[in-house]
Amino acid sequence: NAGVTQTPKFRVLKTGQSMTLLCAQDMNHEYMYWYRQDPGMGLRLIHYSVGEGTTAKGEVPDGYNVSRLKKQNFLLGLESAAPSQTSVYFCASMDSNQPQHFGDGTRLSIL
Amino acid sequence: AQSVTQLGSHVSVSEGALVLLRCNYSSSVPPYLFWYVQYPNQGLQLLLKYTSAATLVKGINGFEAEFKKSETSFHLTKPSAHMSDAAEYFCAVSEAGSNYKLTFGKGTLLTVNP
Repeated sequence: NAGVTQTPKFRVLKTGQSMTLLCAQDMNHEYMYWYRQDPGMGLRLIHYSVGEGTTAKGEVPDGYNVSRLKKQNFLLGLESAAPSQTSVYFCASMDSNQPQHFGDGTRLSIL
Repeated sequence: AQSVTQLGSHVSVSEGALVLLRCNYSSSVPPYLFWYVQYPNQGLQLLLKYTSAATLVKGINGFEAEFKKSETSFHLTKPSAHMSDAAEYFCAVSEAGSNYKLTFGKGTLLTVNP
């Protein structure tokens, strides 16, 4: 029972490069979320999805895009990475009226 | 817009002492409230949640929290701290009808001294 799996766990990018972070959940959850965690800032919502084929903006969406082509996967893309996007990224999933389940995070450094 | 304030970014207690981590929220509608714990280099793990049932909520690892509407607070307590409780703790709020989006506080790092 894997729960929420994030890939990769670590990545270093150069400014301007692109990459995609993958979140996969095996709990058949409808809702999925991407957060970023920065020191002293808590977690802030980037984008979220309420079901397959849907996406919506959260609190800090600029510079990121997402897709939810399959119910179990939620992808977070950085088209042109910037140093300000250095962060730890967390994915979460849930069903209605249940708490969110979090992955172990992706540590992303942009030089 | 909802917000969460955690008073004290760092709390230090002795092993066996009372743990009290403070959380105040602002919300225009009755909220759902959560406490999560994060151990180093790990994701967030749910400690407990309040969803408009009993105001005193018991969670895992001996933690509990009390919802006080008049004070807009949801403080986390544990009677006797253990070394294994050392971690960062996050309070979060979700409003009904918001697609369950969570707004987090900035976190409180709990240190337990032997």
